[in-house]
Amino acid sequence: QSALTQPPSASGSPGQSVTISCTGTRSDVGGYNYVSWYQQHPGKAPKLMIFEVSKRPSGVPDRFSGSKSGNTASLTVSGLQAEDEADYYCNSYAGSNNFVVFGGGTKLTVL
Amino acid sequence: QVQLQQSGPGLVKPSQTLSLTCAISGDSVSSNSATWNWIRQSPSRGLEWLGRTYYRSKWYNDYAVSLKSRITINPDTSKNQFSLQLNFVTPDDTAVYYCARGNCGTTSCWGFDYWGQGTRVTVSS
Repeated sequence: QSALTQPPSASGSPGQSVTISCTGTRSDVGGYNYVSWYQQHPGKAPKLMIFEVSKRPSGVPDRFSGSKSGNTASLTVSGLQAEDEADYYCNSYAGSNNFVVFGGGTKLTVL
Repeated sequence: QVQLQQSGPGLVKPSQTLSLTCAISGDSVSSNSATWNWIRQSPSRGLEWLGRTYYRSKWYNDYAVSLKSRITINPDTSKNQFSLQLNFVTPDDTAVYYCARGNCGTTSCWGFDYWGQGTRVTVSS
């Protein structure tokens, strides 16, 4: 069982927006601004999409945005495109004992 | 462009040692702004961070608490690579293993910006 809780699935039509949540505790998500989000296509390695809650690495479209409120972080994908269909995972720094925890992943379907 | 190239066996017998290597190009294992991590993924455990090695005037290692008694991550500066050793494996260690970089200078130590291609490791006799 993963430390961070994500919905198993999410969906939206092309052009729409979808938000995926990632719920932890004050020992991880709520305690640090070190939440990252990853996109993973089948058979591929995860790709970093968001780091430090809301920052995008170079090359990631601005359709991807992140935010956090309390113990819950969120990833929003705006203007959904077919290629956004993938699994999405969050992770968070969890202190100097546990270091890093991941969410269980959300399968995003573009209808 | 940073590339991480993994190598190692895909089948390990129970109670033996799993050994994988991650060769780095486009960066240095001795970088003062990077960390070098191992992460695994399985249907039962999802994504799980295993540990890391990094250099900040001297070498440091951090490991997941659940694996601390069985895991070793070592840098190899002569080959610009780092390795994972996991001792006394069981079928529960069956997973896809990834190496990944934490980029403390540009993105985040805890946002892994480059990943290896993954190695599917099965623990079975």
